[in-house]
Amino acid sequence: NAGVTQTPKFRILKIGQSMTLQCTQDMNHNYMYWYRQDPGMGLKLIYYSVGAGITDKGEVPNGYNVSRSTTEDFPLRLELAAPSQTSVYFCASRGATGDQPQHFGDGTRLSIL
Amino acid sequence: QKEVEQDPGPLSVPEGAIVSLNCTYSNSAFQYFMWYRQYSRKGPELLMYTYSSGNKEDGRFTAQVDKSSKYISLFIRDSQPSDSATYLCATKTDGTASKLTFGTGTRLQVTL
Repeated sequence: NAGVTQTPKFRILKIGQSMTLQCTQDMNHNYMYWYRQDPGMGLKLIYYSVGAGITDKGEVPNGYNVSRSTTEDFPLRLELAAPSQTSVYFCASRGATGDQPQHFGDGTRLSIL
Repeated sequence: QKEVEQDPGPLSVPEGAIVSLNCTYSNSAFQYFMWYRQYSRKGPELLMYTYSSGNKEDGRFTAQVDKSSKYISLFIRDSQPSDSATYLCATKTDGTASKLTFGTGTRLQVTL
């Protein structure tokens, strides 16, 4: 009963490094999302995908890239990490019909120093 | 103006109290309303999910939506220390591809 799984749970990066945050879901959900959560700011949508091979920008996409080669996986890539990208990143997924709620993973805490 | 406004708290109540958490929103096209509970260092988990106006009850939790005043509420009866968490309201328009708009979350502490 895994749901949405995110790895790693924690990571420290140096400025300018790159990394990929992994997200996988086992619910056969079409829709997947990446959010960042900063203190007092709520959840901001970075990128989302409506199915394999289809991705689109959310509210705060700059500095990030995504791909969706399979239904299960939706990795988030950070290129040239910057201190402003220090945050907690959450991946979510939901089923295909409009009334389906989103289910979240437990997040990746990322610090960029 | 943010599309969804939520008092960040923190809100501290004694065990057994009735808790009222609230959000206001500005977009009259929002049709689905959700409350997520988020424990420290965990992801948000769906607590309540309602469509359009009205009340929905699930155990000690009641979600209330008043679309005329663009006001959504979550009531927790007989609050327990295990209810201590951050509560996020969220809403979205109708349509398959519509995306969630979140409030900033209210931190609740239930004390013994």
